[in-house]
Amino acid sequence: QSALTQPASVSGSPGQSITISCSGTSGDIGVDNYVSWYQQHPGKAPKLMIYDVSYRPSGVSSRFSGSKSGNTASLTISGLQAEDEADYYCSSHTTSSTRGLFGGGTKLTVL
Amino acid sequence: EVQLVESGGGLVQPGGSLRLSCVASGFTFYDYNMNWVRQAPGKGLEWVAYIASWSTTIYYADSVKGRFTISRDNAENSLYLQMNSLRAEDTAVYYCTRGLIRYKSGWHFDSWGQGTLVAVST
Repeated sequence: QSALTQPASVSGSPGQSITISCSGTSGDIGVDNYVSWYQQHPGKAPKLMIYDVSYRPSGVSSRFSGSKSGNTASLTISGLQAEDEADYYCSSHTTSSTRGLFGGGTKLTVL
Repeated sequence: EVQLVESGGGLVQPGGSLRLSCVASGFTFYDYNMNWVRQAPGKGLEWVAYIASWSTTIYYADSVKGRFTISRDNAENSLYLQMNSLRAEDTAVYYCTRGLIRYKSGWHFDSWGQGTLVAVST
């Protein structure tokens, strides 16, 4: 069981928008704005897509956006494209014992 | 261009040891905190260990505490993970990842190596 909770799968058609949730606690996601999101294609290393809840690294499409409310963070992908099909992981950290946390991952299928 | 290249993975028997290495290039290594993250076959990501830019602070996941040791050599632009008392559940691809620059607060991994596979089995 992962420390952060994500849906196992989501799907959407090309051009649509989808949102992936990431639920934590007041001891991790809820304590600061250090939530990040990673995209992983099969057989590849993960890639940072969002950091500090809502910031995009250089080169990441503006179709990717992040937000947070309380102990739950969200990743939204708008204008879905075939190449968005991948696994997505959220990440945060605990402040009490200072350790990294990942969600269990969400498989995005573009129909 | 930031590059992280891991090596040292392989097949090892339960109870055995292995030392992973990661050579960094394309950035000022000693300015950055570094981490190891692993992924068991068909499973999700698991953070393993963190080391500050000058090794002043080190953290471990509970699952590896007391068995794994993270270290770095800034003169050699290298990160290491010494893994002892290996178990079947340590079988995974191990990724070297770059954390934040030393004077910034936060928690994310902005660059990843290609990973090295560690298999613990008889």
